[in-house]
Amino acid sequence: QITLKESGPTLVKPTQTLSLTCTFSGFSLNTRGVGVGWIRQPPGKAPEWLALIYWDDDKRYSSSLQPRISISKDAANNRVGLTMTNMDPVDTATYFCAYRPPYLSRFVFDSWGHGILVTVSS
Amino acid sequence: EIVLTQSPATLSLSPGERATLSCRASQSVQMYLAWYQQKPGQAPRLLIYDGSRRATGIPARFSGSWSGTDYTLTISSLEPEDFAVYYCQQLSNWPSFGPGTKLDV
Repeated sequence: QITLKESGPTLVKPTQTLSLTCTFSGFSLNTRGVGVGWIRQPPGKAPEWLALIYWDDDKRYSSSLQPRISISKDAANNRVGLTMTNMDPVDTATYFCAYRPPYLSRFVFDSWGHGILVTVSS
Repeated sequence: EIVLTQSPATLSLSPGERATLSCRASQSVQMYLAWYQQKPGQAPRLLIYDGSRRATGIPARFSGSWSGTDYTLTISSLEPEDFAVYYCQQLSNWPSFGPGTKLDV
């Protein structure tokens, strides 16, 4: 059974840096073709893909957010991190991490965490 | 940047009826489109990928098809648990989601 869980601060101030961690089980990020991604969803709006990291440390980023975000992995401890700099109130959203299995097209996620609501406010 | 447009924004139907949801891409994404279902307070759930392939455990009443840049998600006979928001997602180098269709009773 695959599970993912997001953790981190639920309230950050404008201009601060957000650091989130995704802790997963049921798969290995050492397995060829596996990826873990981050997706966010502002309240009442559609999801927005942010970043994806593959088993071989290949990384992909949203073109609009690339200057501000960084994704990393700790495969030995089943964790993936996301860092986003210079947070703004418009970044208020639920942040999800999700699993991309090797047999699906890139950027398709078939298991998701419950998400963590991050509010940006002074 | 590829933009997805979903229609209608809201679809009001009853259990047992057939639902047809549309997603149009601003340029070709070939078969690289997925559909997700999302219920309040939950994460999106993958239904369809590569235009027409059902994800693991998805009932056969869900089907996907496409023609050119027009993609369709069909639910053949609505069950009470199918009332939710549905998003399409294109899978190009910079993936994006459509604005969603709310399917309600």
